[in-house]
Amino acid sequence: DVKVTQSSRYLVKRTGEKVFLECVQDMDHENMFWYRQDPGLGLRLIYFSYDVKMKEKGDIPEGYSVSREKKERFSLILESASTNQTSMYLCASRITLTWSDTQYFGPGTRLTVL
Amino acid sequence: AQSVTQLDSQVPVFEEAPVELRCNYSSSVSVYLFWYVQYPNQGLQLLLKYLSGSTLVKGINGFEAEFNKSQTSFHLRKPSVHISDTAEYFCAVSVAGGTSYGKLTFGQGTILTVHP
Repeated sequence: DVKVTQSSRYLVKRTGEKVFLECVQDMDHENMFWYRQDPGLGLRLIYFSYDVKMKEKGDIPEGYSVSREKKERFSLILESASTNQTSMYLCASRITLTWSDTQYFGPGTRLTVL
Repeated sequence: AQSVTQLDSQVPVFEEAPVELRCNYSSSVSVYLFWYVQYPNQGLQLLLKYLSGSTLVKGINGFEAEFNKSQTSFHLRKPSVHISDTAEYFCAVSVAGGTSYGKLTFGQGTILTVHP
């Protein structure tokens, strides 16, 4: 079974702090994704990485950056956390044989910024 | 650009009743269509997907969906629901081919609540 793990289930940070969210997958997948999930808005893509050290902006990249130094690990960085970044963050990974391949999701990190 | 609209934010239903969760999409190019489910306190998992061919797609847990190109819809159905189907359901699309990397665009989600 594909396994995608996220470093924390719940995280509470203060405004202005630098926040790191970690995602690890164990299936040698090329593609990895970061989404945020908000009630009534569904999931929105923040960034994705199609291979090591490669990244592309998604639909809402402002206020976020990412890092992918190793194939299995994809980090989301909030340079200076703000209250409007309080949300559920979901990581996903996918092998890339075709663009229709399934994305596999982690359990999510619920981030609260005070 | 693609967009997805899930027409119902919440659907309450009694156990063993049929259910339909509605999804409409907008795209100027061919798309792949997906339904994902999120059980409480869990990540998303794939229920089913439409790539091409037969417009009726069968997925896990007895769910099926029908692709209707003329109405740009991809509604999810189950003939008899169980308490354990209580979850949030997401419809999603991705562009078929091109340089999109298969990025998913999600709908707003539909919360299905099954009552005993």
